[in-house]
Amino acid sequence: AQSVTQPDIHITVSEGASLELRCNYSYGATPYLFWYVQSPGQGLQLLLKYFSGDTLVQGIKGFEAEFKRSQSSFNLRKPSVHWSDAAEYFCAVGALFSGNTPLVFGKGTRLSVIA
Amino acid sequence: DSGVTQTPKHLITATGQRVTLRCSPRSGDLSVYWYQQSLDQGLQFLIQYYNGEERAKGNILERFSAQQFPDLHSELNLSSLELGDSALYFCASSDKGGDGYTFGSGTRLTVV
Repeated sequence: AQSVTQPDIHITVSEGASLELRCNYSYGATPYLFWYVQSPGQGLQLLLKYFSGDTLVQGIKGFEAEFKRSQSSFNLRKPSVHWSDAAEYFCAVGALFSGNTPLVFGKGTRLSVIA
Repeated sequence: DSGVTQTPKHLITATGQRVTLRCSPRSGDLSVYWYQQSLDQGLQFLIQYYNGEERAKGNILERFSAQQFPDLHSELNLSSLELGDSALYFCASSDKGGDGYTFGSGTRLTVV
């Protein structure tokens, strides 16, 4: 069965520091991988996605993620965190080429940013 | 504005009652997905509709049901409500799976 693990429930970083949020997935088919961000009281916003090709993908708000098939990972990174990045981050996996199948989400990592 | 509209934003109701949550997908999207978000369970997939037909079912209780209408809006019906049904209910839409989902801002249901 497909699953997504985000090992870190809560991470605190200083403003200006670099960030890496971990995501490991288990999926039988070729995966689609996504990162979403949820600000308090808001819905989820798509940050970036990976289908195929270059394993380093760029997203919005200065985020990037790297797909590593050998490690079944899709970690999210940002070189310099801003206070406005404080939010909940969700990794998700879906099936490539099976179209319109439900995404499976991790339980999320809450990011706090301190001055 | 994501283009996915959910109403109402907040709902407070008593145990045993029935409520209906509404979702209008982004223009052009044929798929609608319902998710329940709670603190302990995270985002749980409930059900998916594609162009009016049920496509996939997740961890949806028998007390819950959904449908998608010809104009593609969807409704999630929750009945015989229990305290544990209190959660954020999200609707998302997509045109095809590969582009990811567009989420609405959710309906916060509180059962008292």
